[in-house]
Amino acid sequence: QKEVEQDPGPLSVPEGAIVSLNCTYSNSAFQYFMWYRQYSRKGPELLMYTYSSGNKEDGRFTAQVDKSSKYISLFIRDSQPSDSATYLCASGGSNYKLTFGKGTLLTVNP
Amino acid sequence: SAVISQKPSRDICQRGTSLTIQCQVDSQVTMMFWYRQQPGQSLTLIATANQGSEATYESGFVIDKFPISRPNLTFSTLTVSNMSPEDSSIYLCSVVWAGTDYEQYFGPGTRLTVT
Repeated sequence: QKEVEQDPGPLSVPEGAIVSLNCTYSNSAFQYFMWYRQYSRKGPELLMYTYSSGNKEDGRFTAQVDKSSKYISLFIRDSQPSDSATYLCASGGSNYKLTFGKGTLLTVNP
Repeated sequence: SAVISQKPSRDICQRGTSLTIQCQVDSQVTMMFWYRQQPGQSLTLIATANQGSEATYESGFVIDKFPISRPNLTFSTLTVSNMSPEDSSIYLCSVVWAGTDYEQYFGPGTRLTVT
C-alpha cells in the first residue's frame, strides 16, 4: 500500500462548480499536509499547508485534514478555468521529507 | 517573494552521458531536496542535499548515479550520471525557507530526455 493515495481523475467540471479533491494516507507519523497545484510544464506551486487536523481556508480554497480517518481534502469553490491543473497532495513528518500522491488532473470548462 | 531557479530548464542527452542540474535560491534556506517526477508517477524524493557534507539518499537512489553537492546555503547541484532512457524525467529541487515551518517550495524543474 502506498503511503499516500490520491484519486487520479481526471476530473472535469463546469465553471462555477465546487470541486472536491481527496487523498488518504497510511503513515501515522505524518504531521503536516500540503496541496500543490501544478500547471503543465511548470513546477508544483504550494497552495495550502495544514499542520495537524482541522480546516484552513484561503480565498476560494479550503483544506481539510481528518487525522482520525487519515483523510485529506481540498475544496475549490466557484471554480474557474484558470484552476485547470494537476493537484498534488503531500504529507510529511518532522524530517521534512514529503510523500506525494500521484495527482489529480482537473479541468474546469468555461 | 523568494525565488528558486533551476538550470537548465530542459535538455536532451545521449545515453551514457551525464548532466548536472543547478538549483539557486535568492535567500537562505533550512533544507534543500531533490525530487524526480516521472510520467504518470508521484514526485519521488531522491535525496536531501546537506550543506558541506554528503547528501542523504532515499532507498533506491545511490550517490554514484545521482551525485549531489551543496557548497553553501543557497546553491545545490544534482548530476544524473551514465544516463539511460529510464532517467527521462522532470527533476525538481525544493527548499524550506529559513524562519518558516514545514512549508516546502519547488523550483520550476528540469525536463530531461535521454535518447
